[in-house]
Amino acid sequence: AQTVTQSQPEMSVQEAETVTLSCTYDTSESDYCLFWYKQPPSRQMILVIRQEAYKQQNATENRFSVNFQKAAKSFSLKISDSQLGDAAMYFCAYLTTSGTYKYIFGTGTRLKVLA
Amino acid sequence: ETGVTQTPRHLVMGMTNKKSLKCEQHLGHNAMYWYKQSAKKPLELMFVYNFKEQTENNSVPSRFSPECPNSSHLFLHLHTLQPEDSALYLCASSQPLGTTGGLGYTFGSGTRLTVV
Repeated sequence: AQTVTQSQPEMSVQEAETVTLSCTYDTSESDYCLFWYKQPPSRQMILVIRQEAYKQQNATENRFSVNFQKAAKSFSLKISDSQLGDAAMYFCAYLTTSGTYKYIFGTGTRLKVLA
Repeated sequence: ETGVTQTPRHLVMGMTNKKSLKCEQHLGHNAMYWYKQSAKKPLELMFVYNFKEQTENNSVPSRFSPECPNSSHLFLHLHTLQPEDSALYLCASSQPLGTTGGLGYTFGSGTRLTVV
């Protein structure tokens, strides 16, 4: 069975600085997708960035980028030029593409942004 | 609003009550999901519907009963719940299963349920 591990329950970053959130996963599949979701106090989960496992190039979305290390089964999120609005819970998720296409989520990392 | 609307936003119910949670989307998605989010635990998938058919029941107790009358609406009927069922219940939708699953979900803002 697949698992997703986020070992950092909480992180803090100074405004305008860069922070990296860690995520590791375990799977025997070769074809899958990885995601980072953000959950602000409004509770709505928002897709931040996604990475298809077959792509070697790391995904980038504006200030958000990932470091995808397939062999190491690592998928970290880097937030550059952190803003106060980035404060939220961040969830790493694995999407299995076999069977029922269901997500497996990590336990989340709470990011605090300090002014 | 997000595209996925959940009502009510908050719900407090006694253990003998019957209530329902509602989820609605008009994104043209054909897959809908119920997730349970408890503190310090990963999101737990409860049910999956694909084209109105239930494709997954993740060993959820029968006191939770889902209903999907059409591809735009999803309900979660609650009956004789326990205090440990208190959590945030999130609905999500996506493109049909087996197609472009890699596009990700669109989530609602959830219903915060408290069982007293």
